[in-house]
Amino acid sequence: AQSVSQHNHHVILSEAASLELGCNYSYGGTVNLFWYVQYPGQHLQLLLKYFSGDPLVKGIKGFEAEFIKSKFSFNLRKPSVQWSDTAEYFCAVKSGSGTYKYIFGTGTRLKVLA
Amino acid sequence: DGGITQSPKYLFRKEGQNVTLSCEQNLNHDAMYWYRQDPGQGLRLIYYSQIVNDFQKGDIAEGYSVSREKKESFPLTVTSAQKNPTAFYLCASTLGGLNIQYFGAGTRLSVL
Repeated sequence: AQSVSQHNHHVILSEAASLELGCNYSYGGTVNLFWYVQYPGQHLQLLLKYFSGDPLVKGIKGFEAEFIKSKFSFNLRKPSVQWSDTAEYFCAVKSGSGTYKYIFGTGTRLKVLA
Repeated sequence: DGGITQSPKYLFRKEGQNVTLSCEQNLNHDAMYWYRQDPGQGLRLIYYSQIVNDFQKGDIAEGYSVSREKKESFPLTVTSAQKNPTAFYLCASTLGGLNIQYFGAGTRLSVL
C-alpha cells in the first residue's frame, strides 16, 4: 500500500534560518507529489507540486522541493524562513495512473521565532 | 467567488446521535473528498466520489456515510457507530483525477 512519511513532526527555527522538511513515499510507479500548507486559521492550500519534468520545483513564497526518484523523496526547502512561515506542512502523493486517491503524510508543525 | 463551503464551522454531537456535515463546491469539479484530521495523524481519507451517484470508501470509512446526488454537494454523515468522532473534518475537490485538491475551511466536531 502507498504511504507517505514525514519524519520531522515539530520544527522550531529562528527567522532567516534555512529549512528542509523531509518527505518519503512508498510507491514504485509514476507519482504526482504535492506539498500543502495550513497557516493558522486558514484553509489548507497548495504550496507546490511535481507531475513530471524538472525535478526541482518552485512554489509560492520562496519554497522549493526536489524530487529524487531513486530515494523516493520530495523534500521541501526554503533558504531563509520568516515568522509568517509558521504553519503546518503536509506532503501528499497520488499515483499517476488512474486513481483519484491522495495519500497525505502526518504533517510537520513549523514554528518560526521572530 | 469560486470555492468550497463547509458548514457548520463547529458542531456538537450527543451520544447516539447522527450528524451531517455539509460540503458544497461551485468549482464545477468532478471529484470530491472527505478527510479527517487529528493531531499528529495528518489527513486520513474517509470517502471520495469521482462522479455523481458514485463514491468509494477511503481508509477510515467505518461509522461514516456519504451521498453524491448532485455534482456540487457531498454531505458526510457521522453516525452513532463512529465511537470517536471528535476531529477536524475537511472536504476537498479536484477537477478530474490528476489535478490539485482544493480544500474547504473545515468543520470541527466535538462530542457533548
